[in-house]
Amino acid sequence: EAGVAQSPRYKIIEKRQSVAFWCNPISGHATLYWYQQILGQGPKLLIQFQNNGVVDDSQLPKDRFSAERLKGVDSTLKIQPAKLEDSAVYLCASSSTDGEETQYFGPGTRLLVL
Amino acid sequence: AQSVTQLGSHVSVSEGALVLLRCNYSSSVPPYLFWYVQYPNQGLQLLLKYTSAATLVKGINGFEAEFKKSETSFHLTKPSAHMSDAAEYFCAVSTNTGGFKTIFGAGTRLFVKA
Repeated sequence: EAGVAQSPRYKIIEKRQSVAFWCNPISGHATLYWYQQILGQGPKLLIQFQNNGVVDDSQLPKDRFSAERLKGVDSTLKIQPAKLEDSAVYLCASSSTDGEETQYFGPGTRLLVL
Repeated sequence: AQSVTQLGSHVSVSEGALVLLRCNYSSSVPPYLFWYVQYPNQGLQLLLKYTSAATLVKGINGFEAEFKKSETSFHLTKPSAHMSDAAEYFCAVSTNTGGFKTIFGAGTRLFVKA
């Protein structure tokens, strides 16, 4: 069974530029999560999708971050414009149901904003 | 609101010694509890989970954790550390309060000395 795929693995941009990350979840998983993991901290949920609907985006900085999951499969997360404090690893995860079921994580995209 | 506290951002043990990583949680409803491990430059991988069945949960790689409701704890243990156990470990709590939400602790980095 293929795991969660993410690209790119690394990205370096200058502040005020835009960037996009892509995630392809495990086939058949209805729930998809985007997390932000700042160095030395645990993952913080940015947005959670159930199929192509948003379940929770309470911690997504909506003035600069956006995410979509068209067709309920893969997803993109965009930052525009980026700030220095956005430097982090962005993790995508998926699960077959939310909460009780295990979340399967991708390798992450490491973003450095200069 | 739920929360997770991992005591000790760094733990160092000798190879062959007992591993004990501490996790305390706060939740107003019965929680699901997880331990994930993260190796360098990789995503998180599930070690074990508690979902209201047996309070002593066995996971992969010889790890186990015990759910203690009276102490609101879910500490992770392994009788004998191996060099390959060196990684970052995250405790997480998931509760259903009008929709499942998962909160991760800040993580504990485990060092294993030869």
